[in-house]
Amino acid sequence: GQQVMQIPQYQHVQEGEDFTTYCNSSTTLSNIQWYKQRPGGHPVFLIQLVKSGEVKKQKRLTFQFGEAKKNSSLHITATQTTDVGTYFCAASFGNEKLTFGTGTRLTIIP
Amino acid sequence: NAGVTQTPKFQVLKTGQSMTLQCAQDMNHEYMSWYRQDPGMGLRLIHYSVGAGITDQGEVPNGYNVSRSTTEDFPLRLLSAAPSQTSVYFCASSYFYEQYFGPGTRLTVT
Repeated sequence: GQQVMQIPQYQHVQEGEDFTTYCNSSTTLSNIQWYKQRPGGHPVFLIQLVKSGEVKKQKRLTFQFGEAKKNSSLHITATQTTDVGTYFCAASFGNEKLTFGTGTRLTIIP
Repeated sequence: NAGVTQTPKFQVLKTGQSMTLQCAQDMNHEYMSWYRQDPGMGLRLIHYSVGAGITDQGEVPNGYNVSRSTTEDFPLRLLSAAPSQTSVYFCASSYFYEQYFGPGTRLTVT
């Protein structure tokens, strides 16, 4: 089946450092979404990217969709303790179903 | 609005038992889905529905049944529980693309 690879699996950063997680697909995506899951919680929608080369920002978070629509990234500038959690990408391959990446668990060292 | 609700929050089953995980949403969303979340594997789609009376299989449907008799409810039935079905189960609904997740059911099969 169609898969989305997400790296890294874990990331430990000092508070104030930057963080990036990447998603890659061998197949062109229709769109890609990003979700955040706090420890013990449920996934919460962050954003959707649709256009080739699209870049969207939400405060300290920057989301990018590759020119070929096969990869995406989420970058957090100057991490804070509130950023702790697991970040998932979720890809659509042209239908209503979403395929989730395996997630990147972010821990912050105060 | 309560959003997406799931019951029970926790459940322990013995191998071979059957049970139904309940999911309801009050947002009048047409699309609903069930995922299971296992460590290191992200969220995997079990079954989904694009509207009342319509269901389809996701990535890991074996051992699970669903039905969608109303827009609001989308129960997930485990026919004969197996230890491999120990997981956290999330129900989600969406109107356009953003998925709203319920709080999850943590299921243990012994």
